[in-house]
Amino acid sequence: EVQLVESGGGLVQPGGSLRLSCATSGFTFSRYAMSWVRQAPGKGLEWVSSVSGSGSSTYYADSVKGRFTVSRDKSKTTLYLQMNSLRAEDTAVYYCAKGEYGFPTQGHFDLWGRGTLVTVSS
Amino acid sequence: QSVLTQPPSMSAAPGQKVTISCSGSSSNIGNNFVSWYQQLPGTAPKLLIYDDNRRPSGIPDRFSASKSGTSATLGITGLQTGDEADYYCGAWDSSLSASWVFGGGTKLTVL
Repeated sequence: EVQLVESGGGLVQPGGSLRLSCATSGFTFSRYAMSWVRQAPGKGLEWVSSVSGSGSSTYYADSVKGRFTVSRDKSKTTLYLQMNSLRAEDTAVYYCAKGEYGFPTQGHFDLWGRGTLVTVSS
Repeated sequence: QSVLTQPPSMSAAPGQKVTISCSGSSSNIGNNFVSWYQQLPGTAPKLLIYDDNRRPSGIPDRFSASKSGTSATLGITGLQTGDEADYYCGAWDSSLSASWVFGGGTKLTVL
């Protein structure tokens, strides 16, 4: 079965760090771009970051550039998001999403995980 | 402020038809494929339409979409109470920021 399962969310203080994981199964992980999309409480979808299938190309929203790092582990078929210098405005449900092609510049998000909640608060 | 512009809300009666608009620019909708996502209450988004007007397997033909220039439209016919959800358009933006962009979402109420 094709699925994405996020983990690693939780409560963190402003300025703190958190690493999210997205365990994947049911498809050839290295063939497809993977992305993180977040949704603040009661708000719309906001793209956060994407990585190409090979892992050689990464892309970030201006709002997280320099603070977040996306990576992927082919052997574990897992996507990661390292989040540093967290702010209150980073509070959101973070979804992992699979792209249809090897590069996120094409295609769409054809599979989504259930999300993991990140709360940044003192 | 979202890069793609959608009406915040729409409503229609069961059995009726509704169209949801999505307006962008040449750097996103005008030169890249548009996709649409349905988010039912309390669930993750789900792909509804891709490559401007194609439906994934399992999506009923009550859902259709089109694109013209820098605008796209999602149409839903034969509305059902189960269609009550938030709908988002999305596209890659090829400008200097090189990013994915979404519309602000349209909350569809089926009265």
